[in-house]
Amino acid sequence: AQSVTQPDIHITVSEGASLELRCNYSYGATPYLFWYVQSPGQGLQLLLKYFSGDTLVQGIKGFEAEFKRSQSSFNLRKPSVHWSDAAEYFCAVEGSGGGADGLTFGKGTHLIIQP
Amino acid sequence: NAGVTQTPKFQVLKTGQSMTLQCAQDMNHEYMSWYRQDPGMGLRLIHYSVGAGITDQGEVPNGYNVSRSTTEDFPLRLLSAAPSQTSVYFCASSRRTIGYEQYFGPGTRLTVT
Repeated sequence: AQSVTQPDIHITVSEGASLELRCNYSYGATPYLFWYVQSPGQGLQLLLKYFSGDTLVQGIKGFEAEFKRSQSSFNLRKPSVHWSDAAEYFCAVEGSGGGADGLTFGKGTHLIIQP
Repeated sequence: NAGVTQTPKFQVLKTGQSMTLQCAQDMNHEYMSWYRQDPGMGLRLIHYSVGAGITDQGEVPNGYNVSRSTTEDFPLRLLSAAPSQTSVYFCASSRRTIGYEQYFGPGTRLTVT
């Protein structure tokens, strides 16, 4: 069965510093991959998605992610974080039914921004 | 377009009570799903539907029922609420032509006492 691991429960980064959030997945083929962000008390917003093609994908708010098949990873990066980036970040992979049966999410990484 | 709407936003139930969480989408998406979010657990799939009249169980279906009589609506029913069902519930919709990207509703925060 597919699964997603986000190894870091919490990450603290200084404002202006670079950020990398890790995501590893388990899936039989090349999956559809997603990163979502959830600000405190809010719903989920899609940051970016990977379907195929270029392994470096650009998203909203200055985020990018790189798909590495050999490492089964889809890490999220941002060159310089802003205080408004403090949120919960979720990596997700398509379900075993090819996506029609929803997504499988990681447990999330809580990002704290230090001034 | 309103996107995905959910009602109510907040609900408090007593153990044993039943209720229905409403979800509707106006994007003509064929796929709809219900997730619950608990601290430290991410989002877990409860039930999903691939079209009107077709539903199936996800990872944590016990205690919940769903039906899908129209493309637009996908209500989630709690048959006999338990404190373990205290959670935030998200409804989502998607379609194959957008790569199954999930469009989420704003969520319902449910407390069972």
